[in-house]
Amino acid sequence: KAGVTQTPRYLIKTRGQQVTLSCSPISGHRSVSWYQQTPGQGLQFLFEYFSETQRNKGNFPGRFSGRQFSNSRSEMNVSTLELGDSALYLCASSSPYGGGETQYFGPGTRLLVL
Amino acid sequence: AQTVTQSQPEMSVQEAETVTLSCTYDTSENNYYLFWYKQPPSRQMILVIRQEAYKQQNATENRFSVNFQKAAKSFSLKISDSQLGDTAMYFCAFMKLNQAGTALIFGKGTTLSVSS
Repeated sequence: KAGVTQTPRYLIKTRGQQVTLSCSPISGHRSVSWYQQTPGQGLQFLFEYFSETQRNKGNFPGRFSGRQFSNSRSEMNVSTLELGDSALYLCASSSPYGGGETQYFGPGTRLLVL
Repeated sequence: AQTVTQSQPEMSVQEAETVTLSCTYDTSENNYYLFWYKQPPSRQMILVIRQEAYKQQNATENRFSVNFQKAAKSFSLKISDSQLGDTAMYFCAFMKLNQAGTALIFGKGTTLSVSS
């Protein structure tokens, strides 16, 4: 099976712009979670989608949003980018059975905000 | 709220030696999962091992094993016969077993360097 894929792998944006990141889960996985990784804050949970519904949300401002499509692919959007949004954004997918399953990660999208 | 603490920011070991990475966590939950992930310089997060809290037996995956002490809320990772390819940052992570959703809570990580 192909692993989790994320596009694009690298992005450079300027403050105030918006950005959309994409994640394709492992075939058959219905849960997709997003994480932000920064040197200062470490790995932080953004949100989780399951069957096109946001099931869980971390403590991030409303500028961070996401969605999931019927094929389980997910996108996350960050509006009005700030310098502090520079980070590695990781997507993870897990099995079709919902809560408590192992999450498998994609390679990440590295976002730099100038 | 759950927290995960990794008290060793950096560790180093020689090839073929054994090393143990520490992790403690705080939770009031009884059912949960614990994980170790590794993140090599490529930044790809790779699952190393998983432990279900309801299982008393410690998980093992080839050269990787855990020492899970539920009462002490401790979850250490032992790497035997260390190899150069084990060089990476290792993250301990907690997941509450909950149908309302899942989220991994990560520790700050331990950077492991394996030298020849």
